[in-house]
Amino acid sequence: GAGVSQSPSNKVTEKGKDVELRCDPISGHTALYWYRQSLGQGLEFLIYFQGNSAPDKSGLPSDRFSAERTGGSVSTLTIQRTQQEDSAVYLCASSLAPSSQPQHFGDGTRLSIL
Amino acid sequence: AQSVTQLDSHVSVSEGTPVLLRCNYSSSYSPSLFWYVQHPNKGLQLLLKYTSAATLVKGINGFEAEFKKSETSFHLTKPSAHMSDAAEYFCVVSDTPTGGFKTIFGAGTRLFVKA
Repeated sequence: GAGVSQSPSNKVTEKGKDVELRCDPISGHTALYWYRQSLGQGLEFLIYFQGNSAPDKSGLPSDRFSAERTGGSVSTLTIQRTQQEDSAVYLCASSLAPSSQPQHFGDGTRLSIL
Repeated sequence: AQSVTQLDSHVSVSEGTPVLLRCNYSSSYSPSLFWYVQHPNKGLQLLLKYTSAATLVKGINGFEAEFKKSETSFHLTKPSAHMSDAAEYFCVVSDTPTGGFKTIFGAGTRLFVKA
């Protein structure tokens, strides 16, 4: 499709397990962003990629969180040893270029940690 | 430092009446400003953007916003609310400080539309 695609749409896992969330951006978009949206709250910036590099990792909440992007396209966000407070909707967005371009969002992955 | 303040966490209007969602920002640079809408269980969709061109910006679905530098405001308006406008709205500021990138999302305003 033409939009940002995220998978899975829903993920339920047990505390302590690792999870991988995938984002497939719009073709040609060089910038890719990950956000976390907790229930009833705004968006929390996690990490941003320009091409395959991540100039800004300041939002990652702990060293259990990591992300990579390969080939300037697909990105994965990995959460190791999940905790209940990791439960949230994880949103991915992409844009042609950072900052002045609008971001195009996927529908998110709803992560529930039991 | 950048910041975005959405002055109302909830706004309730009757269908057919005007909508006003307020946003104030602070930025050390010349910012780009955006409004996004989020419907339940969906990602965010761009409504409109300001990038130092016309100060009155028209967006989709009849929404518009006016950039007022003297008031550091970027309020979102619509003349007549529709039931389908009920959603969460986010004001966003984005800068390009030298060598860096930063986008800040407001906390959101939930719009309720009564029949």
